[in-house]
Parts: sequence; C-alpha cells; structure tokens
Amino acid sequence: GAVVSQHPSWVICKSGTSVKIECRSLDFQATTMFWYRQFPKQSLMLMATSNEGSKATYEQGVEKDKFLINHASLTLSTLTVTSAHPEDSSFYICSASTRREQFFGPGTRLTVL
Amino acid sequence: AQTVTQSQPEMSVQEAETVTLSCTYDTSESDYYLFWYKQPPSRQMILVIRQEAYKQQNATENRFSVNFQKAAKSFSLKISDSQLGDAAMYFCAYNNNDMRFGAGTRLTVKP
Repeated sequence: GAVVSQHPSWVICKSGTSVKIECRSLDFQATTMFWYRQFPKQSLMLMATSNEGSKATYEQGVEKDKFLINHASLTLSTLTVTSAHPEDSSFYICSASTRREQFFGPGTRLTVL
Repeated sequence: AQTVTQSQPEMSVQEAETVTLSCTYDTSESDYYLFWYKQPPSRQMILVIRQEAYKQQNATENRFSVNFQKAAKSFSLKISDSQLGDAAMYFCAYNNNDMRFGAGTRLTVKP
C-alpha cells in the first residue's frame, strides 16, 4: 500500500510557541489530505480537509487561525499549531486519500508544557 | 451528517475463538465505502478490511470477514481463530468524501 510519512514523530514545546507538523505522501500524489486529532483512549476526530492549491476546510469547532494548514504540493501538507497551549497536547494523524482508501501516517505526539 | 456508532467499548475473546464487533452508521448516500481499521499500541492505523456499498457480497480477508447489511446500515466485523496479535483498538469507519470513525472497540485476546 501507499506510504505516508509524518515528521516529527514526537515533539515537546513550551506554551505559546508554534509547532509545524509535516505530512508527506511518498509514492503517490494526493490532492486531498486529512488531519485528525486523537486524545488518549478516544477515536480519531477529523480536524480539517487539506486541498492542494486551495484553502483547507475545517470541521466545526476547529479554530482555523490556531491550526494553520498548508497543502503546497501534491505530496506535502503541513499543520502548524500556533501559540500552543497544554490543552493542544494530543496525537495528530494525517492521511492521504483516494476515495477507496485512506493511507495514514504514523502520527505525531505533541506535548505542550 | 454521517455518523458511525460502535456500541461495544470493550470486547474480550479467548485465543482461537471467534468474536464479532458491531458497527452501525447513518447516511443518506447510496454509494460509499466502509472500513475496519486496527490501531495497535503503536497507534499506526492499519486497514483490516474494506467494503464497497454497491457490492452485496460481504468482504473477506483471511480470518476477517464482515456482515454488511445495507438496509439496516450495519457493518459488523467477525474475527475467526483469534490470535494474541489481534489485540488492539478497532475502529469502524465510513468514507464518502471524508472519513468518519466510530468511537472504537478495545479487543482483548486471552491466552
């Protein structure tokens, strides 16, 4: 199956700083990527849909100014958590999609101190 | 909006036995895809099985099979000959243009 990578896999930052997470589809071009957040012992919650060359579509309740998404190419989408706070600590997962299947990255664990 | 419901937060099965995980969903669409994903402690999402809604035949992948009841909007996963490595969180998911997940079922396999 297709491979999706995420970088970094684990990041710790101080409250108030910004953190960028990269999501790459390594062997196919993804016009659409998705960003999910998963809190401990909970399911994946869709945050936003990232569309190459256009603005991301955010789910209700997700602050677009706090979670900046850039899908600059067909193989790269980035999620920037701006002015991070401890409540933003979570596991962030991206996926690259065809309609028939989504290919998930390994996830990024963000800890905000 | 599409919703996916998994009513079993936890399930347990004896090694080599069979277990069925339940999933229901709600949609007004007729063409969509349904999935079961496994999430081990590593948290990497692993595709277990996929079902196209337009196919009446239930999907099967080795020890994993589904019971897809489109009219009832039900999509259960049966794991036969359970193995210790099957222990994980299992998520049911619905996909049309974006994927929606159920709350998950934690499966424990007892030796």
